[in-house]
Amino acid sequence: GAGVSQSPSNKVTEKGKDVELRCDPISGHTALYWYRQSLGQGLEFLIYFQGNSAPDKSGLPSDRFSAERTGGSVSTLTIQRTQQEDSAVYLCASSPPSDTQYFGPGTRLTVL
Amino acid sequence: SQQGEEDPQALSIQEGENATMNCSYKTSINNLQWYRQNSGRGLVHLILIRSNEREKHSGRLRVTLDTSKKSSSLLITASRAADTASYFCATLNSGSARQLTFGSGTQLTVLP
Repeated sequence: GAGVSQSPSNKVTEKGKDVELRCDPISGHTALYWYRQSLGQGLEFLIYFQGNSAPDKSGLPSDRFSAERTGGSVSTLTIQRTQQEDSAVYLCASSPPSDTQYFGPGTRLTVL
Repeated sequence: SQQGEEDPQALSIQEGENATMNCSYKTSINNLQWYRQNSGRGLVHLILIRSNEREKHSGRLRVTLDTSKKSSSLLITASRAADTASYFCATLNSGSARQLTFGSGTQLTVLP
């Protein structure tokens, strides 16, 4: 079946602009996660959605970052007033009621 | 912050040899997982070992877990050039948080 998809695959933006990154999880998966990976580093947790519960936003690095998940499916990660240090690969993952997470291909964000 | 630390950071071996990667972590965990990443994009789940397990096998993969030392190892036997990738350990910590905490990864290069 279809895996997790993300769009766009690459995004180049200018400092100060807002960007939106999209994640389509695997159908039926109740949990959705956003992570960020800087060059040559491991993944950094950003935010987690589980069903209709309030999201766990404990990993968001600043109030310029926000995310929503509409209808328990598609999620959008928004970064306002982008900075150069926001440049990274943003990875989305979804999981069924188990501990295995299925990752999308990521969005490579470059802030000039 | 990254909980898991992988050792070595980079490993280069000949095809057919075994590759061993180690991971250490700091807090109490529910389970530990290993992921593989090609070319800095999406991660692929390899294997999960629960905190009450000591060893697990999947094909050419063997994972061990020592909770007293807070460490794990991933062994890839009879390596192939196609195994070239970055390998990350990730822990699901005990408690209510559901996000994974990733290590910084080991870059494995298998030479043909």
